[in-house]
Amino acid sequence: QVQLQESGPGLVKPSETLSLTCTVSGGSVFNSYWTWIRQPPGRGLEWIGHIFYNGGSANYHPSLKSRVAISVDTSKNQFSLKLDSVTAADTAVYFCARGYELLRHWGQGTLVTVSS
Amino acid sequence: DIQLTQSPSTLPASAGDTVTITCRASQSVSTALVWYQQKPGRAPKLLIYQASHLENGVPSRFSGSGSGTEFILTISSLQPDDFASYYCQQFNSYPRTFGQGTKVEIK
Repeated sequence: QVQLQESGPGLVKPSETLSLTCTVSGGSVFNSYWTWIRQPPGRGLEWIGHIFYNGGSANYHPSLKSRVAISVDTSKNQFSLKLDSVTAADTAVYFCARGYELLRHWGQGTLVTVSS
Repeated sequence: DIQLTQSPSTLPASAGDTVTITCRASQSVSTALVWYQQKPGRAPKLLIYQASHLENGVPSRFSGSGSGTEFILTISSLQPDDFASYYCQQFNSYPRTFGQGTKVEIK
């Protein structure tokens, strides 16, 4: 059974870069798409983007495209999210998930607060 | 972007009730739509894919229907475990978008 676990700082200062890693266990990052989704406190879900395991076919939400990058490290069986120039509006629970269309496997989510 | 509008936003209900949640798309998504259930502090769980296909392990009291721009999630004989939030999501085009969610709460 594939399991995903997000990790990274829970507090990021405004204008800095948010960096999160998702570690995949019980399976391989190979031959799958890997997705990031976020959920501001008390609000709905927002798709951030996804990428194929080989780094190809990356797609990002247009509203974040200039600030976001998703990458995969096959040697560590991990994939990562970087979001530049964060503001308070980026405060959210960030979920990693496996899939291109159907997201059957999710991490538990990690809260990232943007505050000085 | 394709906008998904769910109604209602909140749905008071009792155990044993049959409830329906509607998801309307701003343009056709064919049947490229899924439904997720989310409980507080938890990740979403896939319930229905391709608009009407029940995910493995999901109770048969959940069902989905629709195509194009209008979709319905039905929960028959609501169980205590079903009080949660429900989201539709389309994958017909980029960016993938979610409905704003429907919270099924105890009446």
